Amino acid sequence: GQNIDQPTEMTATEGAIVQINCTYQTSGFNGLFWYQQHAGEAPTFLSYNVLDGLEEKGRFSSFLSRSKGYSYLLLKELQMKDSASYLCAVRSLSGNTPLVFGKGTRLSVIA
Amino acid sequence: DTEVTQTPKHLVMGMTNKKSLKCEQHMGHRAMYWYKQKAKKPPELMFVYSYEKLSINESVPSRFSPECPNSSLLNLHLHALQPEDSALYLCASSPDRSYGYTFGSGTRLTVV
Repeated sequence: GQNIDQPTEMTATEGAIVQINCTYQTSGFNGLFWYQQHAGEAPTFLSYNVLDGLEEKGRFSSFLSRSKGYSYLLLKELQMKDSASYLCAVRSLSGNTPLVFGKGTRLSVIA
Repeated sequence: DTEVTQTPKHLVMGMTNKKSLKCEQHMGHRAMYWYKQKAKKPPELMFVYSYEKLSINESVPSRFSPECPNSSLLNLHLHALQPEDSALYLCASSPDRSYGYTFGSGTRLTVV
């Protein structure tokens, strides 16, 4: 089976840094994705990790530890527009299995 | 063209109506997906098409009927829906099932 766990809600201050964690247990692992979804809109791709380590892309970074079944998304210099849900999704070893999504973390950025 | 286009953006239908949701992509992606998303919940997989063939049906009720007429188009035919089927319906595509998705903007469906 597969299980993906993320915090339900987080609140952070404009200009600050926030880290959103994701832990997973899957039958095989072949990559982890982070998506951003604003209310009522479609998810948009943020990052992809398949090897251990940190991937940086502007204000957003994503980290993966395969041995620990753990990832985090780091958002720096928070802006009000970063208020959204952040979805962690895992791809299994089997190329025929679709992505499995976590329940998402709703981030509220406050002034 | 790097988009997945879904129409309509909003749909209100009665429980006896028949309607269709449409999804189109011209990125050459060979895997296409339908997801259902309720408010404050993650997307739930409904169907997967791979190379125009239905490969996964996640035990979706028969009142939802998918169709893939060609490699660029994906339809979801709706018939005799229930109010609890009201949700955001998302279409997505990927080069094949091993890659991340590009999502469409969704159809907000309300069943009355």
